Amino acid sequence: AQKVTQAQTEISVVEKEDVTLDCVYETRDTTYYLFWYKQPPSGELVFLIRRNSFDEQNEISGRYSWNFQKSTSSFNFTITASQVVDSAVYFCALRFNAGNNRKLIWGLGTSLAVNP
Amino acid sequence: DVKVTQSSRYLVKRTGEKVFLECVQDMDHENMFWYRQDPGLGLRLIYFSYDVKMKEKGDIPEGYSVSREKKERFSLILESASTNQTSMYLCASLGGGALYNEQFFGPGTRLTVL
Repeated sequence: AQKVTQAQTEISVVEKEDVTLDCVYETRDTTYYLFWYKQPPSGELVFLIRRNSFDEQNEISGRYSWNFQKSTSSFNFTITASQVVDSAVYFCALRFNAGNNRKLIWGLGTSLAVNP
Repeated sequence: DVKVTQSSRYLVKRTGEKVFLECVQDMDHENMFWYRQDPGLGLRLIYFSYDVKMKEKGDIPEGYSVSREKKERFSLILESASTNQTSMYLCASLGGGALYNEQFFGPGTRLTVL
């Protein structure tokens, strides 16, 4: 079965704290893609990152970093020195490589509140 | 710059009305999607289209239909709106020649059915 689990429904932190959002996935495929999206209060989902299953290198983009570990089927997202503008719902998603599969398997999202 | 637009941000309709939600993308993408988003249920795929006049059911197609007469436009139709279709509707597109590319989303339409 293909599945994405974001166990943290809501997280609340104080500005400047570091915070990690967990994402655990299940797939039998050896080729797959993982995504993170941000949904701010305005509603539009914004793409953050894509990772393919053959690339386990961690990624850093400013205050954002991603830790991909195939051994634990996890693709966790860390925000360093969080800011109020980071307040949003964050979604992790999986695309498995089955032929012409275009669909994403979505986690239920983690709502992050960063308080001043 | 990539752009997906949706016809309305907020919509209020009555039970039994026929409702059209429009989505337009300007990226010449082949694939377009309609999702609904409800608290605690995440994003659920209603329908998607991989080419003009081509469509496939997603995970929750019941009560909905779609139309794709032109490549840039994908419409979601609620034939007879019901209160349980009150939700946030999100349109997305995917293209660029690779199915592993990211989907681009519109701003969403918050539909209330009274």
